[in-house]
Amino acid sequence: GAGVSQSPSNKVTEKGKDVELRCDPISGHTALYWYRQSLGQGLEFLIYFQGNSAPDKSGLPSDRFSAERTGGSVSTLTIQRTQQEDSAVYLCASSLRKKRGTSGEGRSEQYFGPGTRLTVT
Amino acid sequence: ILNVEQSPQSLHVQEGDSTNFTCSFPSSNFYALHWYRWETAKSPEALFVMTLNGDEKKKGRISATLNTKEGYSYLYIKGSQPEDSATYLCAFNNFNKFYFGSGTKLNVKP
Repeated sequence: GAGVSQSPSNKVTEKGKDVELRCDPISGHTALYWYRQSLGQGLEFLIYFQGNSAPDKSGLPSDRFSAERTGGSVSTLTIQRTQQEDSAVYLCASSLRKKRGTSGEGRSEQYFGPGTRLTVT
Repeated sequence: ILNVEQSPQSLHVQEGDSTNFTCSFPSSNFYALHWYRWETAKSPEALFVMTLNGDEKKKGRISATLNTKEGYSYLYIKGSQPEDSATYLCAFNNFNKFYFGSGTKLNVKP
C-alpha cells in the first residue's frame, strides 16, 4: 500500500514568509509525528498527534510553529515568519500506535515520509 | 532534554569488513529502543524495535543487542556490503516521544 507522503519535497522561501508543509500518513495509522533535522544535527521531535487526543506540542521550538491534523489523517505544519534557522529537512512519520494500557502499546515502528527540505534565504 | 548519543559519528569500512556501532541512552523510564536505517534521498526505514533487557534481534547480516540497565544498544553488521552504506539512527522511546541520536554514517567501500 501507499506509504507516508509529504509535500512539497523542496521549498525555498524568503525570510519572513509563511510556509505550509503537508503530510499524508498511512491510512489507518493513528499516530503522527513531525520531526526536523537541521544540518549536522539529529532528528528533533516537534509534535505528536494520537487519535483524537490533544497533541503533544512540547517540541515546537517557538510560537511561529503550529500544526494541525484534520480528520485524524492529513497533517499540516505551518511556520510563520520564517527565519534562516528554520532551514532543515522536515520529516513526518506515522505509526499504528496502540492505546495506553494495551499490550504492546507504544512500541510500533514509525514509517517515515521522504521529507520536505526547507531553505529560508 | 534527554540525551541519546551514537558513536562513532561516521565510519568507513571495506567491503567484507564486519562493524558495529553504539547507541547510549538514559537507563530510566525506558520503554523501547528503535533502530532505523536512513539512506541518502530516502526515508528512514525501521530495522528493529527492542524492548527487553538482553534482547537480541537479527535481520540478515544486521543484528542488534540491548542493555537497558546500563543504557546502551549495539548494532552489528557482518560482512559489510556497499549497499549497507547509510546513516543508522537509534531512537529512545519513553512512551510518547522518540528521542533520536544524531546517527552513525556508514560508508562501505567496494
